[in-house]
Amino acid sequence: GQNIDQPTEMTATEGAIVQINCTYQTSGFNGLFWYQQHAGEAPTFLSYNVLDGLEEKGRFSSFLSRSKGYSYLLLKELQMKDSASYLCAAYNFNKFYFGSGTKLNVKP
Amino acid sequence: DADVTQTPRNRITKTGKRIMLECSQTKGHDRMYWYRQDPGLGLRLIYYSFDVKDINKGEISDGYSVSRQAQAKFSLSLESAIPNQTALYFCATSVDSNEQYFGPGTRLTVT
Repeated sequence: GQNIDQPTEMTATEGAIVQINCTYQTSGFNGLFWYQQHAGEAPTFLSYNVLDGLEEKGRFSSFLSRSKGYSYLLLKELQMKDSASYLCAAYNFNKFYFGSGTKLNVKP
Repeated sequence: DADVTQTPRNRITKTGKRIMLECSQTKGHDRMYWYRQDPGLGLRLIYYSFDVKDINKGEISDGYSVSRQAQAKFSLSLESAIPNQTALYFCATSVDSNEQYFGPGTRLTVT
């Protein structure tokens, strides 16, 4: 089966750095995606890793270790608008398997 | 205009009724997907299609059916709605194994 785990909720302070972890166990693996979802809205794409290492896109970075089945999303210089849910998804055999999402609360 | 649209945006229906949710896209993507989202369970794949002649079941296809009427249109039907199908439904598109683009969602309530 497929198992994607993320923390349910996290709180961080405006201007700080936060790391959201994701572990996955899948029968095959072709890549790891991160999406942002504001309450009541559609998910939007943030980042994608297929090889081990760090991908940086502005204030957002994502890391992947295929041997450990582990990824994280790093958000720097947190802003209030970053309050949202962050979904990780493993891509495997033409399907995306989503974790239940991590709700990030950014406080002033 | 939005690239991926869903109709209706909200729907309340009764147990046993047939209902269709529609998805249209102007992105020109071949791949289309239907997901449902429930609190604490994340997004779960119902059906997906890689072209007009290709339909595949996802994790939770029981009680649902789909139709790919054209490259741009992918409809989800609930033949006989039941209360545990109350959820937020998203349509998505993609090019190959790249990122997905999601529609705004349809909030369905079955009473």
